Amino acid sequence: KNQVEQSPQSLIILEGKNCTLQCNYTVSPFSNLRWYKQDTGRGPVSLTIMTFSENTKSNGRYTATLDADTKQSSLHITASQLSDSASYICVVSDRGSTLGRLYFGRGTQLTVWP
Amino acid sequence: EADIYQTPRYLVIGTGKKITLECSQTMGHDKMYWYQQDPGMELHLIHYSYGVNSTEKGDLSSESTVSRIRTEHFPLTLESARPSHTSQYLCASSEDGSGETDTQYFGPGTRLTVL
Repeated sequence: KNQVEQSPQSLIILEGKNCTLQCNYTVSPFSNLRWYKQDTGRGPVSLTIMTFSENTKSNGRYTATLDADTKQSSLHITASQLSDSASYICVVSDRGSTLGRLYFGRGTQLTVWP
Repeated sequence: EADIYQTPRYLVIGTGKKITLECSQTMGHDKMYWYQQDPGMELHLIHYSYGVNSTEKGDLSSESTVSRIRTEHFPLTLESARPSHTSQYLCASSEDGSGETDTQYFGPGTRLTVL
């Protein structure tokens, strides 16, 4: 069964600290993995996307890694800001259909305190 | 910022009412999607469209229906709303779903509450 599991479910950190969010997946055949940021009451916004051949991708203070062999990804946030408070969703796409079906994790709810 | 819009943002209605959730995008994308999301849960695909006059059901069974008469417009309709339909509904679009790096752009969502 294709699944995407994220941990931790929620995380609280102080402003300025770093943190790392985890994503494990069983989706096969694998096409790509995205990290989305979803602010409360808003739609998700894409942060990074990685294909099979990429093992790291950065977007400002966000750095995503991918280990396609172990089917694990992480999102590292550096020098956190209050505006980083959001849900971070790992999304994996398969090659199994023309649609490129997406499998969503439940997200990690990050709260940054001043 | 993606040019995809949803109205209304919030809707509270009584059981049995007919409602239409609007979604429009100005990016000229062929593919559009509707997702349902409950608090703390993953997004579930309920409808998608490859283009004008094309609509398909997604993975999660839904009593809603959709139409795609124009490229930019993808409304979702519930003929008779029930409390079980209470959820957040997210609309998305993408340029071409066949690409490896094709990205879905999401609207802000409609929070529906059925009393």
